[in-house]
Amino acid sequence: DIQMTQSPSSLSASVGDRVTITCRASQSISRYLNWYQQKPGKAPKLLIYAASSLQSGVPSRFSGAGSGTDFTLTISSLQPEDFATYYCQQSHKTPPTFGQGTRLEIK
Amino acid sequence: VDLVESGGDLIQPGGSLRLSCAASGFNFTTYSMSWVRQAPGKGLEWVSSISGGRATIYYADSVKGRFTISRDNAKNSLYLQMSSLRAEDTAVYYCTRDLGYTSSWYWFDPWGQGTLVTVSS
Repeated sequence: DIQMTQSPSSLSASVGDRVTITCRASQSISRYLNWYQQKPGKAPKLLIYAASSLQSGVPSRFSGAGSGTDFTLTISSLQPEDFATYYCQQSHKTPPTFGQGTRLEIK
Repeated sequence: VDLVESGGDLIQPGGSLRLSCAASGFNFTTYSMSWVRQAPGKGLEWVSSISGGRATIYYADSVKGRFTISRDNAKNSLYLQMSSLRAEDTAVYYCTRDLGYTSSWYWFDPWGQGTLVTVSS
């Protein structure tokens, strides 16, 4: 199975900050990488698909980049509603696998 | 587009349970569907997927031989039959649609609200 490793596992930041979350795959996955946001008690929500395509309705402060084994999710200016847990997920090979999550907290 | 899960319950170890997911707002038959679970306080774990025509089915190793995914396209419904349940199967189970272009290039969207399965004596 392809292992997905996110860093950091948790992150404290302030409203207005620029933050970047990294996701690394154990082997090349081309650009078959997706990002999800999950708030407490809620289902995950798709943010970014195919490494850098912004899902419809997602604010443009979210962006994704990368290919091969290294990927990033960047939030350009944190808003209060962005404090949540973020997961990356690869679809290159079955089984699809998720990173362990990055918890973004208010500083 | 909406997905609504049901069937979660408190069940004893070794027991069986059937989860359902009612889909609406899209052409259910044309999409692969998946189940993804999340143990309390833990991350996301893919469980199983089924293609629109039911020809292709995959399972996670952790549930293979114990869980069976199925769908009724006439009823726009997805199911997960769970047997020989273990404490480690305790989780919120989400139903989700596989959206994308190929068997390697897809993403999960949308997700249902989830249904809680608790395996405990």
